[in-house]
Parts: sequence; C-alpha cells; structure tokens
Amino acid sequence: NAGVTQTPKFRILKIGQSMTLQCTQDMNHNYMYWYRQDPGMGLKLIYYSVGAGITDKGEVPNGYNVSRSTTEDFPLRLELAAPSQTSVYFCASSYLGRPDRPYEQYFGPGTRLTVT
Amino acid sequence: DAKTTQPPSMDCAEGRAANLPCNHSTISGNEYVYWYRQIHSQGPQYIIHGLKNNETNEMASLIITEDRKSSTLILPHATLRDTAVYYCIVRGQAAGNKLTFGGGTRVLVKP
Repeated sequence: NAGVTQTPKFRILKIGQSMTLQCTQDMNHNYMYWYRQDPGMGLKLIYYSVGAGITDKGEVPNGYNVSRSTTEDFPLRLELAAPSQTSVYFCASSYLGRPDRPYEQYFGPGTRLTVT
Repeated sequence: DAKTTQPPSMDCAEGRAANLPCNHSTISGNEYVYWYRQIHSQGPQYIIHGLKNNETNEMASLIITEDRKSSTLILPHATLRDTAVYYCIVRGQAAGNKLTFGGGTRVLVKP
C-alpha cells in the first residue's frame, strides 16, 4: 500500500489564484481529513469526511472547499488564494473498524503552499 | 475534548530514556489519551494511546496516573531519529474522529 499520497509537494500561488490540492488513500479508510500547519504551530483541522458524499467543517474552513465523490479521494480547493493561506497542508485518513487502534490517523507527506 | 498542557521543549541524551509529561486535568471518563509525533517536515505519526491502564508497544510506553489527570510518554532508549515534536491529544467519541493538536513538546536528542 502507498498509504496517503498528496500532490503537489510544493506550490507557489499568486494572490487571487485558485488551485486544488490532491489527496488519495489506498487503505479503504472511511474517514479523511485536511489539516493546515503554520510555522511553529500545531495542526488545525480544515475539513473532514466520514465517507463518500459526506463532508463537514473543521476548525478553520473559511477560504476552502472539499468534495468526496469516492472513498479514495478527498481534494481540497482554494478558490481565491490569500497570503494567510501560506501553510503546509496535510491530508490524513482513518478507519474506525480497527478495535486495537481506534481513531488512529495516517498522514500524507504534506503540500507546502506559498501565496505571494 | 479536554485541553492538554505540555512543556514546549526538552533535551534528551542518546541512549537514555526520554520522559515526556502531559497534563490533562479536565479529561472525562470516556476520553482517550493519544500520542503522535512529527519528525521535521513530515506528517504526524501515531505512537500510542490509552484509556486507563498503562500501555506499551514497540515504540514507547504510556503511563497514565490513577486519576487520569496526567500522563507520561516514555521513549526507553532515545535515538537521534527520535528528535521530533511530540503531541499529547485527548479525545472522546463526541469529537467524531477528529484530533486537536496543541503546540506539543519539541524533543531534541543529543549525542
């Protein structure tokens, strides 16, 4: 299994541009998440999904949109990029069906985004 | 979810045990204590979790006090590769499956 993969690894956007951060997992996990991490800070939850077709807001959803059309994919969309969205973005997934490790999340390698 | 308090940083000598404390005085009865770590620039990695009893796995041990208001993560023989930020997270079922990351403890293992 590749686990959780994210593309691109790095991206520079100009203010007002749009982009989609891709996230794919091959573990058949029902839960998926998007976090952002600003320098020197902990991760903050942007959006999450409990299954295909179901998404919900996290702690910092403003400026972002998500969709979950398949179990494997959970793309994050930035519509009008702003400098405040400069951050590292991590995608994660989890599977509630594992009783010995409930709620364990598996993280991707991250996408480093700069908005100038 | 209960809030956690961790020291911002600590140093540890290579080969020695690293003891990472975490306070979670407002923890409720059905909330688990989770530990994750984040090695520089990588995504966080699960280490261990527990509810009431002490737990041990191939990576670490978790000691939870009897009143559950604090816990300690123990890395038994720290190596240079254990240099990372360690996050203590308390969560319950009401959070769905969400994790709330605080500032964590930045651990530097020195030769």
